[in-house]
Parts: sequence; C-alpha cells; structure tokens
Amino acid sequence: SSEVTQDPAVSVALGQTVRITCQGDSLRGYYASWYQQKPGQAPILVIYGKNNRPSGIPDRFSGSYSGSTASLTITGAQAEDEADYYCNSRDSSDNHVLFGGGTKLTVL
Amino acid sequence: QVQLVESGGGVVQPGRSLRLSCAASGFIFSSYGTHWVRQAPGKGLEWVAAVSYDGKNKLYADSVKGRFTISRDTSETTVYLQMNSPTAGDTAVYYCARDSWRLALTPSYILDYWGQGTQVTVSS
Repeated sequence: SSEVTQDPAVSVALGQTVRITCQGDSLRGYYASWYQQKPGQAPILVIYGKNNRPSGIPDRFSGSYSGSTASLTITGAQAEDEADYYCNSRDSSDNHVLFGGGTKLTVL
Repeated sequence: QVQLVESGGGVVQPGRSLRLSCAASGFIFSSYGTHWVRQAPGKGLEWVAAVSYDGKNKLYADSVKGRFTISRDTSETTVYLQMNSPTAGDTAVYYCARDSWRLALTPSYILDYWGQGTQVTVSS
C-alpha cells in the first residue's frame, strides 16, 4: 500500500518562515490535508485542498505542491505554532486514509 | 457548534471486547461520514476506520480489519467502534472525526472536526 512521509523535526526562529514537507505517490492524485496537534490536545485541520484554510486558521498558514510533494508553509512563525504537524492523503487503490508520521516544529 | 464526544474507553483485557461511542451534535449528522483515528503513546496518528454518511460504505485499516467494526445510529447521532480481540498494540487514544465531504458515498480523507479522544488500554 501507499504511504506519505514527513521529516521528524524542523525548527524555525521566531518570526521567520518555515516549510514542512510531505512526500508520497498518492499526492500526485490527491491534495494533502494538514493537521496541527499540540501536547494533550486533539488535532485540528489547518490546510486542505489546493490551499484552503478552515475558519479561524491564521493566514500565515498556506499549502503548496510540487510533483509528489506537498508543503505546509508558516510565514512569520509564532510561539503558539510550536506543535506536531501531520499531513494526510488517500490511497487511490483502496480509498484508505494515509497519515504521515508527523513533524515536530520547534519555534526558537 | 460542531461537537464530537467520545466515550467508552478504559482498560480491557487482551481478547475481550470494548465498544467506543462518538456522540455528535451541532450539525446534520445524517449528511456526513465519520472516521476513527488512534494515537499510541508517544506515536503519530493512525487511521483506523471510516463509515459513509448513510452507513453503507465502511473502510478499515489492515491492522484492525476483521477485529473492529464501525457503525452508526442516525437516530442517536452516534458512531460506534466495536473492538473485538484487542491486543496490546491497540493501546491508544481513539479520536472520532467528521468527514468534511457532505453526502460522500465514499469517505474522504479530510477530517474537519475532531473529538477530544478516549483512552483505550489493553492489558491483563
């Protein structure tokens, strides 16, 4: 079956821009969705589709694509953005949902 | 506002059974599918199962297929996860999440609202 992969950890200086990536063949056919999870909390959806933000998500969060790689970009990272970020997509062969292993973002 | 509240977690012995519930409110329950996603201690998110809005289409991760059953009761606006023959590997926080696609015959992968989760510990 397919899979999507993420770098385990990324760091960014306060106020700078950071890109978190997600790779997988499924991303050639389906957009990734991105979820933010802070310790002890449930995940929340931050980006879906080509580059859509649910209501309440700051516009410093954006999504983009290149080939089999999806990226979540945070422009002007804030301390409250420190969290685990997960991408997900769909396996076209069986419609199963795929989650990446997650990226731990540290804001320095 | 959309709310999903999980319940039914606890400690269960290997090989026994446990049923999780996800009570939904704040939206038209009969129009949206639902997923279960779990997270083992210190690990990432793992998709477990999904059911379409009408209950006719159900999908399962290979790791739980044949042991877990997802179902929904529209009158109770509740989704269930019946866990049979659990093993230690099933120990996790179990979240239910709403599928964002309205009236989708096949569940999507975009989960727009999540509950707070319920802890399941499989131990003798």
